[in-house]
Amino acid sequence: NAGVTQTPKFRVLKTGQSMTLLCAQDMNHEYMYWYRQDPGMGLRLIHYSVGEGTTAKGEVPDGYNVSRLKKQNFLLGLESAAPSQTSVYFCASSLRLQGTYGYTFGSGTRLTVV
Amino acid sequence: QQQVKQSPQSLIVQKGGISIINCAYENTAFDYFPWYQQFPGKGPALLIAIRPDVSEKKEGRFTISFNKSAKQFSLHIMDSQPGDSATYFCAASMGSATNKLIFGTGTLLAVQP
Repeated sequence: NAGVTQTPKFRVLKTGQSMTLLCAQDMNHEYMYWYRQDPGMGLRLIHYSVGEGTTAKGEVPDGYNVSRLKKQNFLLGLESAAPSQTSVYFCASSLRLQGTYGYTFGSGTRLTVV
Repeated sequence: QQQVKQSPQSLIVQKGGISIINCAYENTAFDYFPWYQQFPGKGPALLIAIRPDVSEKKEGRFTISFNKSAKQFSLHIMDSQPGDSATYFCAASMGSATNKLIFGTGTLLAVQP
């Protein structure tokens, strides 16, 4: 049981380049989330999805797009990377009834934009 | 107000001591308050969680104290161990329509042997 898998683990982009971060979960969770983690700012929600084919904006959605074509996958896209998007990105998933289990997080993608 | 304010930013505790981390919120619609633990290079993992209908929840050495009237909650780590050294995040959410978590800014805990 792999849980939540994020690829890639590390990436360096030049300003203006695009990329897609992939998140895959094998727990049949309904909900999926993308957060970014920056020093002193905690985890901030970028986009989320409450089911296949649905997405919604979080706290800091600008500059990012997402898609959830399959229940198990949640993709985060950067169309034109900026240095301000240098961060560690975490994907998470949860059951609808969060209860005892909460979120399951992936191990993160460290992105540097130069 | 969607913020969750967390303090202190960092904490140093001697082995065997009590670690205390505090959080405060404004939105009374929040109904679920988890704490997450994160080790370097890893994603956060759920440690313990509480709902506002109880004032305290204990799991092993970890206790959440919840004060609904003050809109505050705290994590107490009893008999702190070097293996507890990690970053701790409080969070809050409301309802199960989205399960969106609003996280605090984190506390870096160092337990000295």
